[in-house]
Amino acid sequence: DGGITQSPKYLFRKEGQNVTLSCEQNLNHDAMYWYRQDPGQGLRLIYYSQIVNDFQKGDIAEGYSVSREKKESFPLTVTSAQKNPTAFYLCASTKNRGSYTGELFFGEGSRLTVL
Amino acid sequence: GQNIDQPTEMTATEGAIVQINCTYQTSGFNGLFWYQQHAGEAPTFLSYNVLDGLEEKGRFSSFLSRSKGYSYLLLKELQMKDSASYLCAVCYGGATNKLIFGTGTLLAVQP
Repeated sequence: DGGITQSPKYLFRKEGQNVTLSCEQNLNHDAMYWYRQDPGQGLRLIYYSQIVNDFQKGDIAEGYSVSREKKESFPLTVTSAQKNPTAFYLCASTKNRGSYTGELFFGEGSRLTVL
Repeated sequence: GQNIDQPTEMTATEGAIVQINCTYQTSGFNGLFWYQQHAGEAPTFLSYNVLDGLEEKGRFSSFLSRSKGYSYLLLKELQMKDSASYLCAVCYGGATNKLIFGTGTLLAVQP
């Protein structure tokens, strides 16, 4: 079945450590996105990529980094520079690059807790 | 700035009808989405409106009025499994095509 796979589902990190969240899709979608979800707030865009080897900052990119070396993969690294990294992270994709006229397909999410 | 408002919480009874409202103020409008999200899970697509009027899909319907910056999601014949958060999202910005999400409405369906 086609879909988006995120791992790990739960992750604990000590302060000062970098952590990488995996996102893999087999939908052959061009565009991929990383969102952060906090209680009482809407989903906020961290980074997005419309094509391999290219990505753009979203609204809250500080303290995060991404890569897009393959069409299927869009990993997110939460660095020690991110001041409040505890959150629920969602990866998503759309069929057409740069277009929201089609629905977003989301992964199951990764819940990061900083101890 | 861009803004979306939707109620934080709603409660309804199994078998009833509930309407979840969403108002928005954005620079331009390219379309409006509704997503359903169960606790700890991924959001799933429910509907997309780009023209004024009502879009019906089974028990769920979504309405849009672009002149009023207003949409609602109508859920009929409520079931316990409909207890979830409902996210309104607006695509705006013309060619730049950005997406903003509301904070979500947590719907509790009671027996």
